[in-house]
Amino acid sequence: AQSVAQPEDQVNVAEGNPLTVKCTYSVSGNPYLFWYVQYPNRGLQFLLKYITGDNLVKGSYGFEAEFNKSQTSFHLKKPSALVSDSALYFCAVRDSPPGYALNFGKGTSLLVTP
Amino acid sequence: GAVVSQHPSWVICKSGTSVKIECRSLDFQATTMFWYRQFPKQSLMLMATSNEGSKATYEQGVEKDKFLINHASLTLSTLTVTSAHPEDSSFYICSASGERDSYEQYFGPGTRLTVT
Repeated sequence: AQSVAQPEDQVNVAEGNPLTVKCTYSVSGNPYLFWYVQYPNRGLQFLLKYITGDNLVKGSYGFEAEFNKSQTSFHLKKPSALVSDSALYFCAVRDSPPGYALNFGKGTSLLVTP
Repeated sequence: GAVVSQHPSWVICKSGTSVKIECRSLDFQATTMFWYRQFPKQSLMLMATSNEGSKATYEQGVEKDKFLINHASLTLSTLTVTSAHPEDSSFYICSASGERDSYEQYFGPGTRLTVT
């Protein structure tokens, strides 16, 4: 089964500094990888996805992620963090057919301090 | 972009009663819908996958008779929690995919269920 791991429960960063939220994956075949963000008591908002192509994927709100096949990683990054980026971030991998469901990591709470 | 709504956004019910949650794709036809459950500060756990006009496929450990899923049209799926108990209290989130090979899922805002 496809799976992702988010090794950090929480990431703290000062506003204006670069941020990285880590994700590693385990798949058989080609990985279809996603990042979502969740604000309190809200559903998930799509940030970006990697299906194929360039290893650096640019997404919403200034986020980007780098697909690294040799390290089986898909870390989420942003050059300059905002306080409003504070939220829960989920890495996900699409399951194999026929389900097509997403398998989520446990989530990483990002706290950006002023 | 594609929009998915859920209704209600929150519901409080008494133990033993049933609750229905609706998930609608507002501007696209959703051939596949997914229901997830999320406990506080935890990840989303897939409960079931439903395709329009077919019976839902439930994940291991999810009680089919307790969590009834209906996907009667291409824009609506419902989750009914039957004979709800306090341990069913959770945040339920649906998502929808537009076509069988679509890579992307669009998530609803979630429904907070509290069973007293």
